[in-house]
Order: sequence, then structure tokens, then C-alpha cells
Amino acid sequence: GENVEQHPSTLSVQEGDSAVIKCTYSDSASNYFPWYKQELGKRPQLIIDIRSNVGEKKDQRIAVTLNKTAKHFSLHITETQPEDSAVYFCAARGVDSNYQLIWGAGTKLIIKP
Amino acid sequence: SQTIHQWPATLVQPVGSPLSLECTVEGTSNPNLYWYRQAAGRGLQLLFYSVGIGQISSEVPQNLSASRPQDRQFILSSKKLLLSDSGFYLCAWSEGRSNQPQHFGDGTRLSIL
Repeated sequence: GENVEQHPSTLSVQEGDSAVIKCTYSDSASNYFPWYKQELGKRPQLIIDIRSNVGEKKDQRIAVTLNKTAKHFSLHITETQPEDSAVYFCAARGVDSNYQLIWGAGTKLIIKP
Repeated sequence: SQTIHQWPATLVQPVGSPLSLECTVEGTSNPNLYWYRQAAGRGLQLLFYSVGIGQISSEVPQNLSASRPQDRQFILSSKKLLLSDSGFYLCAWSEGRSNQPQHFGDGTRLSIL
């Protein structure tokens, strides 16, 4: 079945710098890739998503890129701020997973002041 | 707009006791509904999902069960809780159409003593 690997597990960046989190997936038929942010003790919240018919999507300081050939997608956060500190999860939906989301293990992003 | 309600927020139960967690969605019809469990510091584990009333798919064999007695109501149950059932339980919904994001409730933090 579908497998999603997420790296790194922990990422520490200086405030104002950029952060990049990468995910790879195994099902070449996967066609939907959301990213969620989860603050401590809170629910995951969708921050951006991308479908397989586009290669990049931006929303202010956040962008996601998709490389279907290599089967990986990445979350880019620019000009990081303290409130970006959280755990970020990627996910992929494809045929192998019976159209359910398969989740990455999460990345803890720490923004150093 | 759509909203999802999940209760209780916190629950402490003894081993061997029953469980009932409820989730309701407002502002949409025929949503897909999901139950996830998240262990402390870990990722999201899909437990059950439902694409319609009375239709439940189980992802992980366990002593939990789910029911969908009404279109926008999803219930997670157990007859006898185990210590390993402790965790953060999240209900989510998505539009019935394909490739739509999932939206999470605030979660129930379940502690088994």
C-alpha cells in the first residue's frame, strides 16, 4: 500500500530564515497532497494543499512544490516567525490507500528567536 | 459555514470500562467522517472512516468500534477499554467529493487508569 516518509523529524531554524520539510510517497497514482500544522495540544489544521495537476502552490509565506516524477513534495516556509513553531504533517491520497489519506510521521519545527 | 463538534474534551476512564465519544458536523450533507488516534508525540493513526450512514470501514483491528446512526453523527465506542487505548482522539470530516481536505474537531484526550 501507499507509504509516506517525512523528513526531518525535527527542524530548528533561526527566526527569519526559511524552513523546508520534505515528504516522499510510494503510490504513483497519488493525486492529492495536503499539509497540516498542529500546535501543542490542538487539532491539526490544514495550511496548504496541492493536487497532482500543478507543480507549485503559494499562499503568502507558505508554498508547496510537487515532483511527480520523483514522487516527492515539499513544504517551504519563508521568513519564519515564532508562531510557526509546531508539528507539521504531510499526507498523500491515492489508489493504493483506497483513497484515504496516508500520513507522514510529522516534523517538529522549532523557531529560535 | 461548516463546523465540527467533538466531546468530551478530556476523559479519564478506568481499565475495563466502556467508552463513547461523539462527533457531529453541521453545515454540510453526506460528509465523509473519520476517527483518528494520536499517541503522545506521534503521528495520526486512522481508526475508522465512513462514506455514508451505516457504512463503516475499519483500518486497524482493535477493541474499538464506530457507528454512524445519522448522516452527520459519528460515534466511537468500546465495551472494555485497555491501557493502550490512551491517546488523543480526533474526529474529522471532508466533502464527499474526491480530493477534498479533512477538517478536524478539537479532539478528546483519553487517559486510561
